[in-house]
Amino acid sequence: GDSVTQMEGPVTLSEEAFLTINCTYTATGYPSLFWYVQYPGEGLQLLLKATKADDKGSNKGFEATYRKETTSFHLEKGSVQVSDSAVYFCALKTNTGKLIFGQGTTLQVKP
Amino acid sequence: DVKVTQSSRYLVKRTGEKVFLECVQDMDHENMFWYRQDPGLGLRLIYFSYDVKMKEKGDIPEGYSVSREKKERFSLILESASTSQTSMYLCASTLNGGYTIYFGEGSWLTVV
Repeated sequence: GDSVTQMEGPVTLSEEAFLTINCTYTATGYPSLFWYVQYPGEGLQLLLKATKADDKGSNKGFEATYRKETTSFHLEKGSVQVSDSAVYFCALKTNTGKLIFGQGTTLQVKP
Repeated sequence: DVKVTQSSRYLVKRTGEKVFLECVQDMDHENMFWYRQDPGLGLRLIYFSYDVKMKEKGDIPEGYSVSREKKERFSLILESASTSQTSMYLCASTLNGGYTIYFGEGSWLTVV
C-alpha cells in the first residue's frame, strides 16, 4: 500500500548548520508530495509541496525536490535557525485524495 | 476561516464501551480524515472519506468504523474500546484537489 518513511530523529544541529531530513515514499500512480511542520504547541502547517516529478517546492529557505526515480522528497535548508526547531512531517496525497503522513522527525536547533 | 470542530476534547471510557468521536467542518470540503497521533509514530490514517457515504481504509482501520451521512460531518466509531486505543485523535478536511489540510483541535481518548 501507499506509505511514507522518514529518517528517525531527533536531529540536533547548531545554528547555521545545513539540514537534510530524508523522506522516501511508496505509492501507485503519481502522488503529490508535501512537507508539513508542527511548531511546539501548534497544529500542522503546510511548509511546501510538489505535485509532479522534478518539481521543487520551496518556502522559508526550505527546499525539496520530487525525485520519481528514487521515490524521494528530501527536505533541505542551507542554514537553520533556532526558530526552525519543530517536528517535520513528510506526506503524500494519492490520486483519490488520501493523505498519508510519515512518522515525523524532530529537529532541535541549538544557539 | 475554515473551522474543523471535534465535539469532545477529553474523554475517559471503559474497556468494551462503544465510543463516538464527532467531527464537523464548515467549508464544504469533500475530503475528510481521521488520524491518531502517538509519540514516535506520527499521524497514522485510520479512515478517509472523499464524499458522502464514501470511505476508504487507511493504515490502521482495525477496531474502528466511520460514518459520513452528511458532507460536513464525519464520525469515528470504536465499537468496543480497548486500552490500545488510548491516543489523541485528529480529524481533518481538505478540498478535493486542495493542498492545505485543516485540522481539528484533537480529542484525547483514554480507555481504562
